[in-house]
Amino acid sequence: EVQLVESGGGLVQPGGSLRLSCTASGFTFSSYEMNWVRQAPGKGLEWVSYISGGGGSIYYADSVKGRFAISRDNAKISLCLQMNSLRAEDTAFYYCARHGGGGYFDLWGRGTLVTVSS
Amino acid sequence: EIVMTQSPATLSVSPGERATLSCRASQSVSSNLAWYQQKPGQTPRLLIYGASTRATGIPARFSGSGSGTEFTLTISSLQSEDFAVYYCQQYNYWPPWTFGQGTKVEIK
Repeated sequence: EVQLVESGGGLVQPGGSLRLSCTASGFTFSSYEMNWVRQAPGKGLEWVSYISGGGGSIYYADSVKGRFAISRDNAKISLCLQMNSLRAEDTAFYYCARHGGGGYFDLWGRGTLVTVSS
Repeated sequence: EIVMTQSPATLSVSPGERATLSCRASQSVSSNLAWYQQKPGQTPRLLIYGASTRATGIPARFSGSGSGTEFTLTISSLQSEDFAVYYCQQYNYWPPWTFGQGTKVEIK
């Protein structure tokens, strides 16, 4: 089955760190660009970060630049998001999302909830 | 950054009726526009890409149109499972890839 499964979410204090993981199955992971997209509870979708298939190109939203780091391990078929200096406004469901042919998101995981609160 | 604006914020429609959702881009995105459906408690699902191409498994009652800055998602005859929030997203100028704020389609 083609799917993405995120893990690693939880409750963290402001200023803390968390590492999210996404495991892929059912497709050739290394051939696809991957992303993290987040959604604050009851709010809309916000793209967070992108990584190319080989990992050579990386982009971040301005809201997380300098605090978050995306990486991937094609041998382990996994995507990661290291989140540092977390703020209350980072509270959201974080989705792992695959890029389709042109830059749309054609496959999404179920998401993992990150709550930043003291 | 391209700003995507959706209207209306909420659309009240009776089952079997037609629903028309709008999405406007702050500058031309050509046909690089996608639509997603998100039901409560569920993950977003790709409906349309390339402004008008249905994704795999999407019923024919969903159709997309438009190019440049003005786009429309039409649901020809609303079914009970279609009541959800719909988002548009541009992928012509990136990063960032940007979404509209969503339109909630609710039962009238």
